[in-house]
Amino acid sequence: QKEVEQDPGPLSVPEGAIVSLNCTYSNSAFQYFMWYRQYSRKGPELLMYTYSSGNKEDGRFTAQVDKSSKYISLFIRDSQPSDSATYLCAVKAAGNKLTFGGGTRVLVKP
Amino acid sequence: SAVISQKPSRDICQRGTSLTIQCQVDSQVTMMFWYRQQPGQSLTLIATANQGSEATYESGFVIDKFPISRPNLTFSTLTVSNMSPEDSSIYLCSVEPTDGGTQYFGPGTRLLVL
Repeated sequence: QKEVEQDPGPLSVPEGAIVSLNCTYSNSAFQYFMWYRQYSRKGPELLMYTYSSGNKEDGRFTAQVDKSSKYISLFIRDSQPSDSATYLCAVKAAGNKLTFGGGTRVLVKP
Repeated sequence: SAVISQKPSRDICQRGTSLTIQCQVDSQVTMMFWYRQQPGQSLTLIATANQGSEATYESGFVIDKFPISRPNLTFSTLTVSNMSPEDSSIYLCSVEPTDGGTQYFGPGTRLLVL
């Protein structure tokens, strides 16, 4: 079993829809939770960073962490074609390396 | 956040040759890392570049194949040695701020080995 599971997609939605992405993880020691966006042929760009459980909102993006269920989510409201990219979740325990999910490819159609 | 640059941005190399990739950060950071991302795959950590000491390699990666230098707190290099087509990947450096939470990534170096 992988430490972090993420549906590879592709996830196709119409412009303006809500994009819902999620990951599950197995190690309860993970304390830091991140979402990265990666456009084709570019490096990953940090979107959201959460420490421990709870919600965090930044503009059209909302990240949720449920440590009891070992489940993390990213929601993108009012999606735009420019949101088309691969989204990677990543988790980390204190002092340890990042562990990435496999990435979900998202396509927002005009 | 940190601003990270990598050189070269891309290269096409012949089998058996070596390529050195540079990573420059705009501020001093303790932790720097090198990752590989093979086509259609997620990121795999190659090693942690330690300033003033030898890099710490992950399982499956060895110093002879991927020598790393870290001469100061803003710069690191990764060399891909004796390349084969299987080394064709994107190579990314990342840095971790002093609070030890997240990491920021450079733009990557796209390597194609013929």
